[in-house]
Formats: sequence, C-alpha cells, structure tokens
Amino acid sequence: GENVEQHPSTLSVQEGDSAVIKCTYSDSASNYFPWYKQELGKGPQLIIDIRSNVGEKKDQRIAVTLNKTAKHFSLHITETQPEDSAVYFCAASRFGNEKLTFGTGTRLTIIP
Amino acid sequence: GAGVSQTPSNKVTEKGKYVELRCDPISGHTALYWYRQSLGQGPEFLIYFQGTGAADDSGLPNDRFFAVRPEGSVSTLKIQRTERGDSAVYLCASRSGGADTQYFGPGTRLTVL
Repeated sequence: GENVEQHPSTLSVQEGDSAVIKCTYSDSASNYFPWYKQELGKGPQLIIDIRSNVGEKKDQRIAVTLNKTAKHFSLHITETQPEDSAVYFCAASRFGNEKLTFGTGTRLTIIP
Repeated sequence: GAGVSQTPSNKVTEKGKYVELRCDPISGHTALYWYRQSLGQGPEFLIYFQGTGAADDSGLPNDRFFAVRPEGSVSTLKIQRTERGDSAVYLCASRSGGADTQYFGPGTRLTVL
C-alpha cells in the first residue's frame, strides 16, 4: 500500500518568513495530494490540494509543488503569520476519492 | 452551511465495554469515511462508505470494529470489547460525489480506562 513520509516533524519560523514542508510517497498510481491544517482540538481542514496532472498550484500565500518523477510534493507558506501556527498534514490517494494516506504531520510554530 | 458533526465529542469507557460513535455528514454527501488518529500521528483510514454500502473496509483493525450507514447519511462506528489501545480520536469525513475534497468533522476523543 501507499506510504507517505513527511519532514520536518517540527518547524519554527519568524513571522513574515517562509515555511516549507516536504512529503514523499511510494505509490506511483497516487494522483491526488491534499494538504490539511489541524488546530488543537479540531478536525483537519483542507488548505490546498493538487492533482498529478499539475506541477504547481498557488492560493494567495500558500503554494504546493509536485514532482511526479521523484514522487515528492511540498507545501510553501510565504509571509507567515501567527495564525499559521498549527499541525500540517500531507496526504495522498488514487483517483482523488479513495482513502487518504496521511503523513505524520509537521508542527509549525510562527515566532512573533 | 453545516459541516460534518460527530457525537459525542468525548467518550470515556472502561475496558471491555461497547461504544458507538456517530457521524452526521454534510447534507447530500454520498461518500463517508472513518479515520482514527492517535496522539502525534496522522489520521489512519478505517472504512469508506459510498451510499449505504462499505466500499472499502480494509482499515478496520479487527472484528471488534464495525460501522454502518443504513440510510446513506448518518453513520455509526461500533467498537465491541474495547481495549486500552483503542484510545484515540475518531474522525469522520464526507465528500460530495464527483469531487475530491474530504471534509472532516471535529472528531470523537475515545478514552478506554
């Protein structure tokens, strides 16, 4: 089955700087890659996603890049703000509507 | 509109007891998923419903775990003879037919003493 690895497990950045979180996946048939943000005591919330027919997608301060050949994808957050502090999870699935396989999460802390 | 809701938000039970966890998906969403999240880990897939039927139950850890969705809306996850290792947050997600995004509920925190 699919295996998703995520790095780093913790990340601290100064407010206003950029943050990058990286994930690798094992199943070459995976073609849907969402990123979720989870705040304490809440369920994961989708922040951005990308399909395998696209190499990059951007939404305001958030962007995701995908390298199908290397089987890795990354989340980029620019101009970080205190409210970006949370745990971020990457995930992968086939066809986009099957089960998601999640990474182990990155705890992002924005230092004011 | 209303999101995915889960009840109870917290459940404390004793080892060996039976528990039921409920999920109310977003209205009109045909797909429903259950995941389990242990402390410090990402959610792990348990079971996926398309309508009333379980399309994939490969994530259920053993036969103590069972889930139903009799009318294609609300789902109940049932755990028999609970064990301390079952303690986790149980998350439910729903998805609209033809779309990719799974929307998660707030979860039920299960503690088995």
